[in-house]
Amino acid sequence: EAQVTQNPRYLITVTGKKLTVTCSQNMNHEYMSWYRQDPGLGLRQIYYSMNVEVTDKGDVPEGYKVSRKEKRNFPLILESPSPNQTSLYFCASRGLDSPLHFGNGTRLTVT
Amino acid sequence: KQEVTQIPAALSVPEGENLVLNCSFTDSAIYNLQWFRQDPGKGLTSLLLIQSSQREQTSGRLNASLDKSSGRSTLYIAASQPGDSATYLCAVRTGYNTNAGKSTFGDGTTLTVKP
Repeated sequence: EAQVTQNPRYLITVTGKKLTVTCSQNMNHEYMSWYRQDPGLGLRQIYYSMNVEVTDKGDVPEGYKVSRKEKRNFPLILESPSPNQTSLYFCASRGLDSPLHFGNGTRLTVT
Repeated sequence: KQEVTQIPAALSVPEGENLVLNCSFTDSAIYNLQWFRQDPGKGLTSLLLIQSSQREQTSGRLNASLDKSSGRSTLYIAASQPGDSATYLCAVRTGYNTNAGKSTFGDGTTLTVKP
């Protein structure tokens, strides 16, 4: 089954404790992206990647890192999480002309 | 900068009604437009994708149209059912070679279909 898999689904952590949210897709898509969704602010792009070893900032990249060492994986790293990064996070991928496919989301709470 | 607007923000209809959701965008130089459905706390499920060269796409009770020149798309839902209750978002993707084909999302229309 074609899918984008994110883990974990829920994560509660404390300020400053480094964390990684994993994202993997099995559709051989070149493009992958991370979004955060907050009430009243909609979906905002954090980082995206056009291909292996190619990443670029989206609209709200501050406080986040990503890497694209393999085509299928695109982890999101929070080196020192803060409470304002509490949000619902989504990973997505697509091919050249294909629809954007989303993962099921990761609900992060930073206390 | 592309801006995407969805009006109304919320809509409540009785079961069985046909309805139209609206999506407008400011820059008509789009690559494609995609409609999604999102249930509370869940991920986005792709409903329809319209390429810039197309005028409409259909899937079951759903029909999406695209008018690039006026910067509008509509999602038509026929014979609405309570199971259609969800938030519907549209996303506009700009040119492939500009800004890496960025998708800009509207804030969505939250639909409630009453039994």
